Amino acid sequence: EAQVTQNPRYLITVTGKKLTVTCSQNMNHEYMSWYRQDPGLGLRQIYYSMNVEVTDKGDVPEGYKVSRKEKRNFPLILESPSPNQTSLYFCASSLWGQVGTDTQYFGPGTRLTVL
Amino acid sequence: DAKTTQPTSMDCAEGRAANLPCNHSTISGNEYVYWYRQIHSQGPQYIIHGLKNNETNEMASLIITEDRKSSTLILPHATLRDTAVYYCIVNLRGNEKLTFGTGTRLTIIP
Repeated sequence: EAQVTQNPRYLITVTGKKLTVTCSQNMNHEYMSWYRQDPGLGLRQIYYSMNVEVTDKGDVPEGYKVSRKEKRNFPLILESPSPNQTSLYFCASSLWGQVGTDTQYFGPGTRLTVL
Repeated sequence: DAKTTQPTSMDCAEGRAANLPCNHSTISGNEYVYWYRQIHSQGPQYIIHGLKNNETNEMASLIITEDRKSSTLILPHATLRDTAVYYCIVNLRGNEKLTFGTGTRLTIIP
């Protein structure tokens, strides 16, 4: 089954404690992306990657890091989380050049709370 | 990217057609119209997209006006499971970033 998986699905942590949210896809997609969703603000893109070792900033990259060492994985790293990073996070993947089409899949989301 | 304007919320009776409007008056000639929906904090789900011709798939129909300044997503026979937030997005095909607005919260009434 084609899917994007994220782990963990729920996480409560404290300010400053480094964490990683994993994202994996099984569709051999070149493009992967991270979004955060906050009430009243819709989904905002954090980082995206067009292929292995190719990443770029989205609209709200501050406080986040990503890496793309393998095609299937695109982890989101919060080196020093702060309460304003409390949010619902989504990972997405797509075939190259097909962002927004029926090849784009979103993961189930990770709800992060930073105390 | 062109911005879109959608009503904040809409209701529709179960079994009726749900018509969700979207204004995108600054759309450029090579930008597509995409529709996604999000059911209660799940990941967004692709519905349909089009450039200038009307489109139909197993989920919905997309009607784009001739001047392309607005479009309507039609769910022909709405069910309770169609209750969701619907996002209308205008984007260049293949552009790496989808800009989601706040969408329309559609509630299907039994």
